[in-house]
Amino acid sequence: AAGVIQSPRHLIKEKRETATLKCYPIPRHDTVYWYQQGPGQDPQFLISFYEKMQSDKGSIPDRFSAQQFSDYHSELNMSSLELGDSALYFCASSFFDRGQGTSGLSSYNEQFFGPGTRLTVL
Amino acid sequence: DAKTTQPPSMDCAEGRAANLPCNHSTISGNEYVYWYRQIHSQGPQYIIHGLKNNETNEMASLIITEDRKSSTLILPHATLRDTAVYYCIGSYEKLTFGTGTRLTIIP
Repeated sequence: AAGVIQSPRHLIKEKRETATLKCYPIPRHDTVYWYQQGPGQDPQFLISFYEKMQSDKGSIPDRFSAQQFSDYHSELNMSSLELGDSALYFCASSFFDRGQGTSGLSSYNEQFFGPGTRLTVL
Repeated sequence: DAKTTQPPSMDCAEGRAANLPCNHSTISGNEYVYWYRQIHSQGPQYIIHGLKNNETNEMASLIITEDRKSSTLILPHATLRDTAVYYCIGSYEKLTFGTGTRLTIIP
């Protein structure tokens, strides 16, 4: 089965440079999430997109921006890179029914994660 | 998202059942209990979810207390490949990862 694809898998940049990370969700998934995991830390939610619109925002620095394109792939753009930006960046995708069923309960949201991009800032 | 509390680490003998507890006393009515795991720097992997009822799938079982304030993930026959960090998350949509439980399966 197709999985979430992230590119590149590894990226080395100098301080103050820019980086662009790409995410290709599972076909027919309409929502993309970005997470950052620093060394020895747990993943932290950055931002999400549903149907090409930003749907939620977490602890994403102002130096970062992201978007989702018409083919549902997403890009995370990172500018003025700092040493502290060195981390694993995960993209996840899901098909999330935001409506409520006849029971009035929300749908569950299973997220499928990609292998991650390891960014090293020197 | 609900604040969750898990033991930082646990050991389990290979072949035995691994029972991982989680407290999520602040979970709200529309938030599911999700369990994910992360095997050494790989992308987190979904295991199971539940709302009110106990759930079982091919990977694990999830027992949720009636008041929904805590749950237990059960891996029925742990193998060495189950060594990972296990995260319990109470969420509607985005995932808020806590510190998780580092489960080590011992041969």
